[in-house]
Amino acid sequence: EDQVTQSPEALRLQEGESSSLNCSYTVSGLRGLFWYRQDPGKGPEFLFTLYSAGEEKEKERLKATLTKKESFLHITAPKPEDSATYLCAVQANDYKLSFGAGTTVTVRA
Amino acid sequence: EAGVAQSPRYKIIEKRQSVAFWCNPISGHATLYWYQQILGQGPKLLIQFQNNGVVDDSQLPKDRFSAERLKGVDSTLKIQPAKLEDSAVYLCASSRDRATEYFGPGTRLTVT
Repeated sequence: EDQVTQSPEALRLQEGESSSLNCSYTVSGLRGLFWYRQDPGKGPEFLFTLYSAGEEKEKERLKATLTKKESFLHITAPKPEDSATYLCAVQANDYKLSFGAGTTVTVRA
Repeated sequence: EAGVAQSPRYKIIEKRQSVAFWCNPISGHATLYWYQQILGQGPKLLIQFQNNGVVDDSQLPKDRFSAERLKGVDSTLKIQPAKLEDSAVYLCASSRDRATEYFGPGTRLTVT
């Protein structure tokens, strides 16, 4: 069974304090690894897809990287508007998405 | 481009009652998904449609949950009868090519 584990569960940062979120996974044939952002009371918002080890994607203050066993989401110089829950999901060869429980990031001004 | 639409946004019912949720996917997206998200957890797939047909419903509690997608566009998810443990957010998502899934705002269900 495909498994996704995210750590830490919660992360409190000061504005400008860079940090990383971890997503470790086991999957029977990785088609893609997805990162989503979810704000309270809203549905997940797509951020990135990574397809192979060594790949990197960037968007504003966010950078996602992928290895054969895990992915990292780096937040550089975060702002309060980066506060959200970040979800990681893996898509197996059957196209099914399996999600982790998420990391809730709080950025204080 | 309009996003995935869902209604209602909130619903409170008593246990053993029935409830239905509606989803309108992004125009042109052939694949539609229903997920259940319990507080503090990631979304869990309940059912996946490709056009009108069911692709995967292996995690759908079929004794109480049902879903349909008529004409390959809108979809409804029904729970009958509801249990306390069904309290969750029900998310609808759609994709064009079974790659990136785009989510709606969700329906928050509270069963008392």
